[in-house]
Amino acid sequence: GAGVSQTPSNKVTEKGKYVELRCDPISGHTALYWYRQSLGQGPEFLIYFQGTGAADDSGLPNDRFFAVRPEGSVSTLKIQRTERGDSAVYLCASSFLAASSYNEQFFGPGTRLTVL
Amino acid sequence: AQSVSQHNHHVILSEAASLELGCNYSYGGTVNLFWYVQYPGQHLQLLLKYFSGDPLVKGIKGFEAEFIKSKFSFNLRKPSVQWSDTAEYFCAVAFASGGSYIPTFGRGTSLIVHP
Repeated sequence: GAGVSQTPSNKVTEKGKYVELRCDPISGHTALYWYRQSLGQGPEFLIYFQGTGAADDSGLPNDRFFAVRPEGSVSTLKIQRTERGDSAVYLCASSFLAASSYNEQFFGPGTRLTVL
Repeated sequence: AQSVSQHNHHVILSEAASLELGCNYSYGGTVNLFWYVQYPGQHLQLLLKYFSGDPLVKGIKGFEAEFIKSKFSFNLRKPSVQWSDTAEYFCAVAFASGGSYIPTFGRGTSLIVHP
């Protein structure tokens, strides 16, 4: 079946601009996660949704970052006033359940964001 | 804060050599442990996981890992690597606190296997 998809695959923008990154999870997966992976590092947690609500947004670095999942499926990560330090690969993952136990996360291919 | 350390950042081996990648974490409570692999040009995918029970876990493609609670370690092993094992390997630990099992990833180990 279809896996997690992310669009665009690459995004180049200028410092100060606004960007939106989209994630389409595996159908039926209730939990959705956003991570950021900088060069030479492992994925760093940003935010996690259980259904439509953000269950844990403790990883968002500052208020320029925001994410939504209005219908409990597709999610959009929004970055305002982008800075060069935001350049990274943004990964999305989904899992069937989250709740109080860990369920395997399935990762998408990522969006490579470059801020000039 | 909880942390995950991968000691080897770059490993170069010849085919048929044995592999061991180290992973340590800094939390003394209940943990769920994972190794993920990212082959060149592909997504992150799960290699193996430990939740409870037998601390020696077998995964796909001949990989295994051993959870040693007293050492806070979850090292990945393979007795004989192949060229196709060339990839980036990430250890991840989900710390069971506050009801939210969000994994923390190590920085990864780049493995190159020469034919």
